[in-house]
Amino acid sequence: DAGVTQSPTHLIKTRGQQVTLRCSPKSGHDTVSWYQQALGQGPQFIFQYYEEEERQRGNFPDRFSGHQFPNYSSELNVNALLLGDSALYLCASRRGYEQFFGPGTRLTVL
Amino acid sequence: GNSVTQMEGPVTLSEEAFLTINCTYTATGYPSLFWYVQYPGEGLQLLLKATKADDKGSNKGFEATYRKETTSFHLEKGSVQVSDSAVYFCALGPISNFGNEKLTFGTGTRLTIIP
Repeated sequence: DAGVTQSPTHLIKTRGQQVTLRCSPKSGHDTVSWYQQALGQGPQFIFQYYEEEERQRGNFPDRFSGHQFPNYSSELNVNALLLGDSALYLCASRRGYEQFFGPGTRLTVL
Repeated sequence: GNSVTQMEGPVTLSEEAFLTINCTYTATGYPSLFWYVQYPGEGLQLLLKATKADDKGSNKGFEATYRKETTSFHLEKGSVQVSDSAVYFCALGPISNFGNEKLTFGTGTRLTIIP
């Protein structure tokens, strides 16, 4: 059984650009959450998708948007990138109380 | 709002030493509590969890007990190994399947075990 997968592994962008990150949940999981983990910090909740709708959102600006597809996979889009957006972006899929995390996408904004 | 306060690191111990990493939380109601571990270059892995007061979560020799009276969930291990070197995160989770959905994490504690 494949776990949560994310692509790409690493990404380098420049300020002002846009980026799309992708996530495939574990088999049988229908809820996907995205987290931002800045260097040396704990993950911060961005938003969660269920049944193709954003169900809950953390304290992130509208530059951060997402989408969930009918097969439960998800995308995170970030527009107008800032240097401060450099972080590890983690996707998690959920069953019951337990969330399973993917390995993350390391985004560097220059 | 919900918050997690975690023992600051880094923590360096010798192999076979006893480990305690403190974690306290603030939340409305009785959330689920988790410890996650992050090995270098990897994402988060669930280490153990407890979903109600007085529950003890355990895995790979690690233990943590959900203490409602002290709002704590301290992580312990009796004899650490070099392979336990990683960053450990305490987290607070959903109170119910249809309630507060997100995980709230502490800032993490970096643990290094010396042979």
